[in-house]
Amino acid sequence: DAGITQSPRHKVTETGTPVTLRCHQTENHRYMYWYRQDPGHGLRLIHYSYGVKDTDKGEVSDGYSVSRSKTEDFLLTLESATSSQTSVYFCATGPGTDTQYFGPGTRLTVL
Amino acid sequence: GQQLNQSPQSMFIQEGEDVSMNCTSSSIFNTWLWYKQDPGEGPVLLIALYKAGELTSNGRLTAQFGITRKDSFLNISASIPSDVGIYFCAGLTNAGNNRKLIWGLGTSLAVNP
Repeated sequence: DAGITQSPRHKVTETGTPVTLRCHQTENHRYMYWYRQDPGHGLRLIHYSYGVKDTDKGEVSDGYSVSRSKTEDFLLTLESATSSQTSVYFCATGPGTDTQYFGPGTRLTVL
Repeated sequence: GQQLNQSPQSMFIQEGEDVSMNCTSSSIFNTWLWYKQDPGEGPVLLIALYKAGELTSNGRLTAQFGITRKDSFLNISASIPSDVGIYFCAGLTNAGNNRKLIWGLGTSLAVNP
């Protein structure tokens, strides 16, 4: 258990509204990741961070932005939510690149 | 992008049976990881493998890092109802500063008590 929390755990929003999901860790891990999980697609990497203020894009980054101003927090923002962004979002952290520990997930519904 | 071929896609077995699943790729990996995801929760790391040929156990679970470095296997012995869930494999590339995990699509396991 890497001491990872995600908030909110569930959210329903409307198309076009901005949404921010938060990931908080207490393990002082350097690496943090945001994934989305959809049926038939498995886990897909959205963005990741390799240090404070250091982020990079994953394979499905369009429509998403991230920020990491502190080691323990990694924020995922949907600037203008669309129905295609309805998904379960997972945060993960790791001390290095070779293992990742996952949070409990956030279920987002965009109407 | 890169993908891992994980099979089988799903399994339905009787309690007490042994289970085998595998992941294959056309690319070489330096690390293989196996995760289990229970319904409504995040994936949990089961076993990590770091060397070709390595065989590692975690209770009733045993995983192997294939000799070719392009595949990995997970076996569960004497399955029980709490083994139900989705099992994911993931492989770590070694592409310089761009090391990322590549994920399989999962094997869904159902156990009939």
